[in-house]
Amino acid sequence: AQTVTQSQPEMSVQEAETVTLSCTYDTSESDYYLFWYKQPPSRQMILVIRQEAYKQQNATENRFSVNFQKAAKSFSLKISDSQLGDAAMYFCAYIWRGAQKLVFGQGTRLTINP
Amino acid sequence: DAGVTQSPTHLIKTRGQHVTLRCSPISGHKSVSWYQQVLGQGPQFIFQYYEKEERGRGNFPDRFSARQFPNYSSELNVNALLLGDSALYLCASSLGASSYNEQFFGPGTRLTVL
Repeated sequence: AQTVTQSQPEMSVQEAETVTLSCTYDTSESDYYLFWYKQPPSRQMILVIRQEAYKQQNATENRFSVNFQKAAKSFSLKISDSQLGDAAMYFCAYIWRGAQKLVFGQGTRLTINP
Repeated sequence: DAGVTQSPTHLIKTRGQHVTLRCSPISGHKSVSWYQQVLGQGPQFIFQYYEKEERGRGNFPDRFSARQFPNYSSELNVNALLLGDSALYLCASSLGASSYNEQFFGPGTRLTVL
């Protein structure tokens, strides 16, 4: 079964500090995509960053970067210089090539302390 | 350009009733997916439609059905509502049905079943 696990239900960080959110996944597929989505209280799910499994280089989007460890099936998100607007639920998600559905983890609630 | 829109924003129903949720995709997007997000959990895939045809179905009972119209908008119907159907229902649109295509989410419809 394809599963995504986020072991940190809640995380908090001081503004301007760096925080890392963890995600592991279970799959027998070799070709897939991984995502981190942000869901603020407004409920709109927003894509933060994506990673293609065939790419060895870790994806980066401004203050957001990932540590993709394919052999370990690990996909963590690092947020640098945390800002108050980063406060939200963060979901790790996975889809394998040819599939129709995103498989989501349970989410991590991130709090930013001023 | 307008993003994915969903209506209504909220609604309250009683057990046994029927509900219809609506979604308008981003202009030019031909694929619509529906997800159910129970409070405190990650979204679960319900359906994907592409070019008015069902392309994928999640593990949901037959009380759940959907359709896509010629303008690519979509409806999700739920019959014989149960208390457990209370959730945020998310619609996502994408250019095509490929797993490579990014899914853009709407703000969701909050359904409460009493």
